[in-house]
This record gives sequence, C-alpha cells and structure tokens, in this order.
Amino acid sequence: GAVVSQHPSWVICKSGTSVKIECRSLDFQATTMFWYRQFPKQSLMLMATSNEGSKATYEQGVEKDKFLINHASLTLSTLTVTSAHPEDSSFYICSASGRRIYNEQFFGPGTRLTVL
Amino acid sequence: AQSVTQLDSQVPVFEEAPVELRCNYSSSVSVYLFWYVQYPNQGLQLLLKYLSGSTLVESINGFEAEFNKSQTSFHLRKPSVHISDTAEYFCAVSPTDYDKVIFGPGTSLSVIP
Repeated sequence: GAVVSQHPSWVICKSGTSVKIECRSLDFQATTMFWYRQFPKQSLMLMATSNEGSKATYEQGVEKDKFLINHASLTLSTLTVTSAHPEDSSFYICSASGRRIYNEQFFGPGTRLTVL
Repeated sequence: AQSVTQLDSQVPVFEEAPVELRCNYSSSVSVYLFWYVQYPNQGLQLLLKYLSGSTLVESINGFEAEFNKSQTSFHLRKPSVHISDTAEYFCAVSPTDYDKVIFGPGTSLSVIP
C-alpha cells in the first residue's frame, strides 16, 4: 500500500520560534496533500489542501501567514508553523492522494508539536 | 456541503462481545464512505471503505460496515471484539467528484477484559 511519512514525529519548541514539519509520500506521486490538526480527544480538522506546484487552499479560520504550506514536488509537502505559541500545540497530520488512487487519502503518522 | 455524525462518543464493551459503532451522514451529492482507526499517539489507518458495488464491506481484522443509502448510514460492526481493538474510530465521507474528506467527531472504543 501507499506509505506516507512525517518528520519529525514530535517536536518541542520555545514560544516565538518557527517549526517545519515534512510530509513525504514514499512510494507514489502525491498530486494533492492535506494538512490536518487534531486536538486531544477531538476529530481531525482540515487546515489546508495543497496541490503540487500551486498555492495551498486554506480552510476558513486558518491563518495562511501563520501556517505556511509548500508543496514543491510530487513527494514532499511542508508545513511551517511560524512564531509558534502555546495555543498552536497540537497533533498535526498530513495525508496524500495520487492520480491513480483517486479519493483515497493515505495518512502520515502525525507530528506532536508542543510549544512552551 | 457534507457532514458526518457519530452519535456515540464513547463505547465500552467487554472482550468477545459484539459491537456496533454508528455513523450517519448528510450530503446533497454522491459520496464515498470510510472508516478510519487511530491508536493512541498514532496517525490514521484506513479500516474499510465503500466506493461502489456491494453495500457490505469487510476489513481484514473482522470489522464490517454496511452502506444504507435510504438511512444515510454506514455503521461499523464486529461480532467479537479483542483488547487490541481499543482505539478511536472515525467515520468519514468524501464527495465522489472531489477528494476532500470530512471526518466525524470519532467514537472511542474501549474493550474491557
């Protein structure tokens, strides 16, 4: 099956710093990648959708200047949390879908971000 | 727009007992339906999906779900649960003409020894 990896799996940072999270599709070309945020005991909330080579589409209420998304290649998307604050602490999960796997998203293992 | 309802936020069940996790959805367009499982501190794993064809779909670890179009439901069942089934279960829908996935709030299944 299709495999998606995320790096790092967890990160702790100081308030005010920026953190970059990578999402890679290991054995397929991901034309679309999705970034989700999950608070404890809650469901996944879609933050943004990114297509390779174009700007990401952000969901309502998500600050595009705070959560920078880059999808420069068919196997890599990055999410950068800029000037992180404690309220940004969360579990961030990416998923990817490809041309031959229409409508099925493959999820990464998630990244636990803790901002002190 | 689409939405997903999972009426039971928590379901405790004894080991080897049957379980049903309920899922209802609303949509004005055709959708695909999914069940995902999430173990603690892990990402999501696809459990099973309904795209077309037979309305009863099965997973490799004994779960099954039935798509009921008239009731707009996609309930998940297992005849005999194991301790290892303890996890969070998410029902999700995706419009057939777009790859955006909408998740339900999740049901926490706790299997009691």
